[in-house]
Amino acid sequence: DGGITQSPKYLFRKEGQNVTLSCEQNLNHDAMYWYRQDPGQGLRLIYYSQIVNDFQKGDIAEGYSVSREKKESFPLTVTSAQKNPTAFYLCASSPLGGSYEQYFGPGTRLTVT
Amino acid sequence: AQKVTQAQTEISVVEKEDVTLDCVYETRDTTYYLFWYKQPPSGELVFLIRRNSFDEQNEISGRYSWNFQKSTSSFNFTITASQVVDSAVYFCALSEPSWGAGSYQLTFGKGTKLSVIP
Repeated sequence: DGGITQSPKYLFRKEGQNVTLSCEQNLNHDAMYWYRQDPGQGLRLIYYSQIVNDFQKGDIAEGYSVSREKKESFPLTVTSAQKNPTAFYLCASSPLGGSYEQYFGPGTRLTVT
Repeated sequence: AQKVTQAQTEISVVEKEDVTLDCVYETRDTTYYLFWYKQPPSGELVFLIRRNSFDEQNEISGRYSWNFQKSTSSFNFTITASQVVDSAVYFCALSEPSWGAGSYQLTFGKGTKLSVIP
């Protein structure tokens, strides 16, 4: 079945460690996105990519990094510079253009202590 | 100012009641798109509907209906005869040109948590 996979579902890390969240899609979508969701908040865009080897910062990119070496993969690294990394992270993909809905993965809940 | 405002943070209804979720948006663009997504307790967002700025026709899909009014910049969502399975957080989102030629940015409201009580 086509879709987006994120792994792991739950992730625990110690403060000061970098951690990488996986996102893979087999929908053949050009665009991929990372969002962060905090309790009672909407989704905020961290990074997006419209093509392989290219990506742009979203509204809250500080403390995060991404890569897009393959069309189907868009991993997100939460670095130690991110002051409040504990959150729910959602990956999405879509065809290019604003009229298309984004398809979301199941999310990764990151807890940093 | 928020681009997408969902003033209702939480709503509780008894099963079989009708419920309307409000969404007000703000944009200067003439071409834009509006979306509703459902987020059940599992966490994954599920797409419900898309509407473009040139199509003000209301839409009905089973127990769901949407009322798009450009005059009031609103895109409200009504669930008729609510069921326990409708319990979720519902997000309204606005897609408007932003990042450059052919690029759009999707902005989400903060969501409305709907609880349907049996």
